[in-house]
Amino acid sequence: GENVEQHPSTLSVQEGDSAVIKCTYSDSASNYFPWYKQELGKGPQLIIDIRSNVGEKKDQRIAVTLNKTAKHFSLHITETQPEDSAVYFCAASSPQAGTALIFGKGTTLSVSS
Amino acid sequence: GAVVSQHPSRVICKSGTSVKIECRSLDFQATTMFWYRQFPKKSLMLMATSNEGSKATYEQGVEKDKFLINHASLTLSTLTVTSAHPEDSSFYICSATFPSGYEQFFGPGTRLTVL
Repeated sequence: GENVEQHPSTLSVQEGDSAVIKCTYSDSASNYFPWYKQELGKGPQLIIDIRSNVGEKKDQRIAVTLNKTAKHFSLHITETQPEDSAVYFCAASSPQAGTALIFGKGTTLSVSS
Repeated sequence: GAVVSQHPSRVICKSGTSVKIECRSLDFQATTMFWYRQFPKKSLMLMATSNEGSKATYEQGVEKDKFLINHASLTLSTLTVTSAHPEDSSFYICSATFPSGYEQFFGPGTRLTVL
């Protein structure tokens, strides 16, 4: 089955700096890769996703890149703000719509002002 | 946007009792819903996949007789933790997808504490 590895487990940056979180996956058939932000005591919130037919997607300060050959994808947050502090999870799913997501272990991002 | 609700948000129960958690898709019909469990400072672990009108598919190691899942309609799935024990204490989160979509929309989670 699919296995998703995520690094780093914790990341501390200064406000205004960039943050990068990286994930690798094992199943070459996976083709959907979302990123979720989870605040304490709340459910995960989808912040950006990418499908395997594109290499990069951007939404304001957030971008995701995908390298299918190497089977890794990354989340990039620019101009970080204290409210970006949260746990971020990457995930992957197989081609069939409606298939469950396999999550990475999460990255705790701390942005200090 | 797609909204998924869960009820209750928190529940405390005595050991040996059963607890039911509801997951609802408020503004869309979800043929598939998923149930996850999350321990403190850990990732989400898939428990089961719930398809409307059919039996749930459980992940390896998840006891189907202990975690009863019912997906009776396109907008409601329920998870019942039967004969709860302290080790069942956890954060339970559901998600739902559009019938032909990839995106999963998560509920706010239910914090279960078994005394």
